[in-house]
Amino acid sequence: EVLLVESGGGLVQPGGSLRLSCAASGFTFSNYWMTWVRQAPGKGLEWVTNIKEDGSDRSYIDSVKGRFTISRDNAKNSVYLQMNSLRVEDTAVYYCTTDVGYQDYADWGQGTLVTVSS
Amino acid sequence: DVVLTQSPLSLPVTLGQAASISCRSSQSLVHSNGNTYLHWFHQRPGQSPRRLIYQVSKRGSGVPDRFSGSGSGTDFTLKISRVEAEDVGVYYCNQGTHWPTFGGGTKVEIK
Repeated sequence: EVLLVESGGGLVQPGGSLRLSCAASGFTFSNYWMTWVRQAPGKGLEWVTNIKEDGSDRSYIDSVKGRFTISRDNAKNSVYLQMNSLRVEDTAVYYCTTDVGYQDYADWGQGTLVTVSS
Repeated sequence: DVVLTQSPLSLPVTLGQAASISCRSSQSLVHSNGNTYLHWFHQRPGQSPRRLIYQVSKRGSGVPDRFSGSGSGTDFTLKISRVEAEDVGVYYCNQGTHWPTFGGGTKVEIK
C-alpha cells in the first residue's frame, strides 16, 4: 500500500521559513516524479512544484520561484519543500503526491497545514 | 496558461440519480504524442483528494464503475451513473498536456 506522510507545517510569520517533508513507502520511490500541490483555506487545488525521479529536473509555479526549493533523497524515500520568504498568500494545506506521468497524481498524502500570519 | 473551466459550480443531486460535470479547456489537451492528459479527482469533506479518472476515461485503482469519463480536445465530462452518499464533495479536473493547471472544482451535494 502506498503511503505518503507529510510533516513540518505550522505557524510562521511573514518572511519566515519552513521545511516540509514527505516520507514515502509502499512503492519504488526512485521511479516516480513527485509533486507538491497546495490548497488555500476554502479554495481549490494549485500545483506548486515537482521533481524528476533522480532530482535532475524541477519546476515551480511563478509565485514561488526563488523562494521555494524542492529536493529529494531517494535513499530515504523522501521529498522536501524548503519554503523561504513566506507570504500570507502561501497559507494552505500542502499535499505531497506521486506523479505517474503528465500530472496524473495517483496517490496523495494527508497534507500539512502551513499558516503564514503575524 | 491553460484555463480549465468546470460547470456547474454546485450540483445538488438525488441519491440514485445520475450526475454530470463538465470541464472545458482554453486549449486543446491533445499532446504531441497523441495522448490526452486530462484527469479527475474527488475530495470528500475534510479529506485529501483522490484520483478517479486519468487520461480522460481510464478509471483509477479501486474506483467504482459508476464513475466514467469522456471527451476530447477541449471538452470533457465526468459522469456518475447512480449517485451514492459517499460521492459528496468537490470534483476537480486537471491537465498535464501543458503547464499543469486545475479546474476550479464542482461541489456535489445531496438534495
